Amino acid sequence: NAGVTQTPKFRVLKTGQSMTLLCAQDMNHEYMYWYRQDPGMGLRLIHYSVGEGTTAKGEVPDGYNVSRLKKQNFLLGLESAAPSQTSVYFCASNTGTVNQPQHFGDGTRLSIL
Amino acid sequence: AQSVSQHNHHVILSEAASLELGCNYSYGGTVNLFWYVQYPGQHLQLLLKYFSGDPLVKGIKGFEAEFIKSKFSFNLRKPSVQWSDTAEYFCAVNVGSQGNLIFGKGTKLSVKP
Repeated sequence: NAGVTQTPKFRVLKTGQSMTLLCAQDMNHEYMYWYRQDPGMGLRLIHYSVGEGTTAKGEVPDGYNVSRLKKQNFLLGLESAAPSQTSVYFCASNTGTVNQPQHFGDGTRLSIL
Repeated sequence: AQSVSQHNHHVILSEAASLELGCNYSYGGTVNLFWYVQYPGQHLQLLLKYFSGDPLVKGIKGFEAEFIKSKFSFNLRKPSVQWSDTAEYFCAVNVGSQGNLIFGKGTKLSVKP
């Protein structure tokens, strides 16, 4: 079982460059989430999706865009990377039922120089 | 706005010591509560969850947590820690009909052999 797969695992960008992080899940989950994890800050929700074709803003959405064209995939885009976006990014998914836990990917470590 | 507080930033214990990590949340309605663990370099994994019933919840690896509604708390406990419990622990809550999680900032646990 692959679960939640994130690509790439590591990336170094220069300020102003763009890139897309890919998240894929094979559990037929409706809900998908993108978080960033920074030291001492815990996990903060960037954007989430409650189903194919829908997206919504989380706690820290500025500077990011997302798309959910297929149910199994949730893409996170950085149009013009900034050093403040250096972080570890985690994708998660669940059924959306409130008592069901989220399943996390292994993370993408992104450094913006 | 809902929030989750984890009071201990870093806890250092010797093997076989008992562990209690605090978690308090701010929300007066129905909540679902989770503890996740993140081992070094890995993704978050679910330790245990509470959504109804017995307020004392048992999870994996000998962990348990007690939901005390009057104190808005969901503290994590383990009677005897092992070196392999060295990790960061996150408390999280979701409220109402949403699947979104609100995370605490995490508690880093270091267990000395």
